[in-house]
Amino acid sequence: DAKTTQPNSMESNEEEPVHLPCNHSTISGTDYIHWYRQLPSQGPEYVIHGLTSNVNNRMASLAIAEDRKSSTLILHRATLRDAAVYYCILRPKGGSQGNLIFGKGTKLSVKP
Amino acid sequence: ETGVTQSPTHLIKTRGQQVTLRCSSQSGHNTVSWYQQALGQGPQFIFQYYREEENGRGNFPPRFSGLQFPNYSSELNVNALELDDSALYLCASSLAGRETTGELFFGEGSRLTVL
Repeated sequence: DAKTTQPNSMESNEEEPVHLPCNHSTISGTDYIHWYRQLPSQGPEYVIHGLTSNVNNRMASLAIAEDRKSSTLILHRATLRDAAVYYCILRPKGGSQGNLIFGKGTKLSVKP
Repeated sequence: ETGVTQSPTHLIKTRGQQVTLRCSSQSGHNTVSWYQQALGQGPQFIFQYYREEENGRGNFPPRFSGLQFPNYSSELNVNALELDDSALYLCASSLAGRETTGELFFGEGSRLTVL
């Protein structure tokens, strides 16, 4: 089971911020929250991850709820290249390195 | 640094045949994992190799097998192909020990069609 719940699809306009939600109500205290995205005809690509505090990197920001039962991936200014399927994944600390449990993700469409 | 490369990119087989897919890990990575992605679905974990041994497996039958070589490249073998094996097969590499990151680097995949 994926253990995360995401909307099937979302739409955004180019150059506007995008907030992609993820619910993970059964998260355990040692689970990291990871986000990957998959552009058309490509393999998944790491975006960001966090444990408790909000995180920022060059690609996106990750906002984690105080109770950690939900999180939001924030793309500050969507571009056409951000059109992809975004996956929210729980990753146990110390878990098998390569074993990610993907759900169906959120398909993001970006309109010019 | 070179990325993860997979071959072939596309192939067509018939039911009952066997297939071998290949993956070259990102330079310096010692762990490789394989995923199956059916159309419209997220990738499903098949297995992982570390130091040439399988050390994790998803819910896939034994006819899915693999190898990891001393140079950390890898193969995925599927015997007795079934129609439902038609999918995109993804290879991902990582460096064990970087626990706080756990970032996987994926190849672009091999698209297998079974007729």
